[in-house]
Amino acid sequence: DAGITQSPRYKITETGRQVTLMCHQTWSHSYMFWYRQDLGHGLRLIYYSAAADITDKGEVPDGYVVSRSKTENFPLTLESATRSQTSVYFCASSSSGYEQYFGPGTRLTVT
Amino acid sequence: AQSVTQPDIHITVSEGASLELRCNYSYGATPYLFWYVQSPGQGLQLLLKYFSGDTLVQGIKGFEAEFKRSQSSFNLRKPSVHWSDAAEYFCAVGANNNDMRFGAGTRLTVKP
Repeated sequence: DAGITQSPRYKITETGRQVTLMCHQTWSHSYMFWYRQDLGHGLRLIYYSAAADITDKGEVPDGYVVSRSKTENFPLTLESATRSQTSVYFCASSSSGYEQYFGPGTRLTVT
Repeated sequence: AQSVTQPDIHITVSEGASLELRCNYSYGATPYLFWYVQSPGQGLQLLLKYFSGDTLVQGIKGFEAEFKRSQSSFNLRKPSVHWSDAAEYFCAVGANNNDMRFGAGTRLTVKP
């Protein structure tokens, strides 16, 4: 039972490059989320999805794009990476309730 | 807008001592409240949650939290800390799935 997985776990990229972070869950949860974690800020919501083909912005969506063509996948794309997007990114999923289950995170460094 | 404050950035306790981590929230109604734990290099794991009813909730790993409406608080407690409890702890408040707000976290160090 894999639960929720993220790939890659670590990524170094250059400013201006496009980067896609992957998230996959095996629970068939309706809701999926992307957060970024920065020192002193806790977790901030980037985007969320209530179901396949339904996505919406969170607190800090600028510079990010998401899609959700299948229930189990929720990729996050940085179209043109900037140094300010250096962070740890967490994907989470949830059923119709309010409890979220988190993946192990992706540490992204933009040079 | 709702917000969460964890006043203590870092706490150190001795193994076997009791623990209380503070969490204060700001929200117009009674929100849903959560505590998560994050071990180094790991994702967040749900410790416990409060939706309604009994204001003292029990969680995993021997943790409990008490909701106090009058103080807008949801403090996390454990009577006897183990070395394996060393981690970062996050309080979160949410009115629904798409509006969860997390505190900045409290890092717990356990002294032998």
